[in-house]
Amino acid sequence: AQSVTQLDSHVSVSEGTPVLLRCNYSSSYSPSLFWYVQHPNKGLQLLLKYTSAATLVKGINGFEAEFKKSETSFHLTKPSAHMSDAAEYFCVVRSSGPNAGGTSYGKLTFGQGTILTVHP
Amino acid sequence: DGGITQSPKYLFRKEGQNVTLSCEQNLNHDAMYWYRQDPGQGLRLIYYSQIVNDFQKGDIAEGYSVSREKKESFPLTVTSAQKNPTAFYLCASSKGQGFEQYFGPGTRLTVT
Repeated sequence: AQSVTQLDSHVSVSEGTPVLLRCNYSSSYSPSLFWYVQHPNKGLQLLLKYTSAATLVKGINGFEAEFKKSETSFHLTKPSAHMSDAAEYFCVVRSSGPNAGGTSYGKLTFGQGTILTVHP
Repeated sequence: DGGITQSPKYLFRKEGQNVTLSCEQNLNHDAMYWYRQDPGQGLRLIYYSQIVNDFQKGDIAEGYSVSREKKESFPLTVTSAQKNPTAFYLCASSKGQGFEQYFGPGTRLTVT
């Protein structure tokens, strides 16, 4: 079984200040983890992904995330927020492992989302 | 230009009517997916298809039906049996199960 918890439903920052969006996960096997961004009434765009290579993952638009197995966390950060970063962000875990074959293999489990507001 | 298209962007229906949402991809992907998004609930999987002429129920399939007659197309029908159909519906595709999923722009369905 796998699950994702995004610890904040809303985060508000000022333009130019750091962004931290928190995500904890639960997975029976080594997970693949993703962050997606969604602007209003749009589809989801992949920001970055972790698939068991380097634990610090760099994505698009200056975002990065660090996989911490001991803390089961995959927090998303950006050093300096821009107005265009205002959107909803989803942390996602993908199932894998020897018992996750068949219908469950590759299934994505989404967090509830974090709405990021950026103030001028 | 490769991608996923969903049409229409906004759809309005009366209660009791079936409605079909379109999803087309030209990425040559084998797998396609339908998700439903409600505020504060993330995305939930309705149906997915790993290959043409095959599809599987996701977590919330009741009241929905799909077909996969062509690799490029995976239409979703919201039937009158779906008790709360108003939502934002997203289609996605991937090379195969376990590969990265790419999302379409979504269809917002409102049923009154």
